[in-house]
Amino acid sequence: GQNIDQPTEMTATEGAIVQINCTYQTSGFNGLFWYQQHAGEAPTFLSYNVLDGLEEKGRFSSFLSRSKGYSYLLLKELQMKDSASYLCAVRGPGYKLSFGAGTTVTVRA
Amino acid sequence: SQTIHQWPATLVQPVGSPLSLECTVEGTSNPNLYWYRQAAGRGLQLLFYSVGIGQISSEVPQNLSASRPQDRQFILSSKKLLLSDSGFYLCAWSRQGGGQPQHFGDGTRLSIL
Repeated sequence: GQNIDQPTEMTATEGAIVQINCTYQTSGFNGLFWYQQHAGEAPTFLSYNVLDGLEEKGRFSSFLSRSKGYSYLLLKELQMKDSASYLCAVRGPGYKLSFGAGTTVTVRA
Repeated sequence: SQTIHQWPATLVQPVGSPLSLECTVEGTSNPNLYWYRQAAGRGLQLLFYSVGIGQISSEVPQNLSASRPQDRQFILSSKKLLLSDSGFYLCAWSRQGGGQPQHFGDGTRLSIL
């Protein structure tokens, strides 16, 4: 199975940068996904990493190190609308995703 | 483009009553389909997934069941709801193949009284 850890909460100021770390232990690795979930809403897909390195998408970047079982999501130029929960999910064998409990990011003015 | 519809958005049911939540996907064929539950402040728990019509895999033993009567229809059911069944239920779909993200419906917030 998968064991996924990420911090529970983070707070940052508007315009700043926040890095959300995710560590995982898995019996088989087939990719890592990041999702954003606003309160009371469904998760929306942000990024996918399967090879080591950095994937950049506008203000959001995601990094993966398979040998370390480690990923991070980097949010730059924070905006108030970025206040949300960010979910790290690991795909093991097959199509199943295992989700972390999520990191709640609060952006302050 | 693909869309996923899930209903109802909210549901209040008494303990012991039956349940039926429906999810349909448009704009794609032979999707993988998933049911998740999210308890308050918790991560998503995979309940069922399906790679084709009539093919259902259960992840967690419980009093829920799932069915896929058509290619793009996924139904979550229960004969008798328990208090512990309260939560936010999410349906999701993905294309077949590696690296395909799952896309979620808007969810059903289920409260058991």
